Amino acid sequence: GAVVSQHPSRVICKSGTSVKIECRSLDFQATTMFWYRQFPKKSLMLMATSNEGSKATYEQGVEKDKFLINHASLTLSTLTVTSAHPEDSSFYICSAQHRGPDEQFFGPGTRLTVL
Amino acid sequence: AQSVTQLDSHVSVSEGTPVLLRCNYSSSYSPSLFWYVQHPNKGLQLLLKYTSAATLVKGINGFEAEFKKSETSFHLTKPSAHMSDAAEYFCVVSDEGSGGFKTIFGAGTRLFVKA
Repeated sequence: GAVVSQHPSRVICKSGTSVKIECRSLDFQATTMFWYRQFPKKSLMLMATSNEGSKATYEQGVEKDKFLINHASLTLSTLTVTSAHPEDSSFYICSAQHRGPDEQFFGPGTRLTVL
Repeated sequence: AQSVTQLDSHVSVSEGTPVLLRCNYSSSYSPSLFWYVQHPNKGLQLLLKYTSAATLVKGINGFEAEFKKSETSFHLTKPSAHMSDAAEYFCVVSDEGSGGFKTIFGAGTRLFVKA
């Protein structure tokens, strides 16, 4: 199957700093990429959907100024957590989709810890 | 509106016995349905998908699921559990709404396999 990578796999940062997470589709062009957040022992919560070259669509309750998403190419999307706080600590997962409603290919996730 | 209900938060079976993970959905359109598996510290992996072809779908590792429109169900089964099947399983529905394709994850079912 298609491969999606995420970098970094884990990051620890101080409160108030910003953190960027990269999501890459390695062997296919992803028209759509998704960003999820997963709390311990919980399901995935969709944060936003991004299509290449256009603004991301954020789910209700997700602050777009705090979670900046850029999808500049068909193989790369980035999520920047701005002015991170301890409550932003979580497991962030991206996925890439060639076209809807096909399956999504998931990255391995990024564990963010904000001290 | 879409929704996905995984009827059991956890299921425990003995190795070699059948597995049944239940999923009910609601969708306004013709949905695509997926089952994903998440092993500890690993990314989500697609087990199988239904996209309006055969209602009985066979997936990887001996899993299969049957789409039953009359019951709005998409239960996941396997004839004989293996220790390596212990993981978290997510039922996912995707269909096209007024705002484009929408994907919803179920809450997940943790499968325990006893020796």
